[in-house]
Amino acid sequence: AQTVTQSQPEMSVQEAETVTLSCTYDTSESDYYLFWYKQPPSRQMILVIRQEAYKQQNATENRFSVNFQKAAKSFSLKISDSQLGDAAMYFCVNNAGNMLTFGGGTRLMVKP
Amino acid sequence: NAGVTQTPKFQVLKTGQSMTLQCAQDMNHEYMSWYRQDPGMGLRLIHYSVGAGITDQGEVPNGYNVSRSTTEDFPLRLLSAAPSQTSVYFCASSPKTGRWDTEAFFGQGTRLTVV
Repeated sequence: AQTVTQSQPEMSVQEAETVTLSCTYDTSESDYYLFWYKQPPSRQMILVIRQEAYKQQNATENRFSVNFQKAAKSFSLKISDSQLGDAAMYFCVNNAGNMLTFGGGTRLMVKP
Repeated sequence: NAGVTQTPKFQVLKTGQSMTLQCAQDMNHEYMSWYRQDPGMGLRLIHYSVGAGITDQGEVPNGYNVSRSTTEDFPLRLLSAAPSQTSVYFCASSPKTGRWDTEAFFGQGTRLTVV
């Protein structure tokens, strides 16, 4: 069974600053993928970034990057130069066997 | 591209009523699934399908039924609605590639209230 834990229900960041969202997971699978999804008030689920478990190199997508610590089962998301449009609920997700396991989510607020 | 289309977007049911949430995708994806989203709990898997004629249970299947007669459609049936089924429901689809790094595409969600 897979579990995903996001320990920060809410976070806030000043516009243009950097924020890190935390995520830990547990899985018995040796091959899996990790994702961060963003859910703005529109409810639409949007893929932010993905990481393959067997890759050492941390994934980066423009202002979004991850810190993947496989031994510690940690997968944090760093958002640089935060923008007002980054305000949303963020979900850490584990995909093993094509079954997605979601964390409880972190609501990110961006202050102008 | 329509992507994943869910209907309706909002629904209010009385306890004991039944209804079907519709989900259709036009991307020829093999995998389709239903999730419910409750505050503080993220999304939880209800049922999923790996192809037409094949379905299986997820984490919270009780009170829900699914079928997959075509690749495009994956309806979710509530047999006898209960207040505990008040939630936001999401349908998702993804292609079968043999890898698990593929992006899942989500519908816009259905907000269901059972009174």
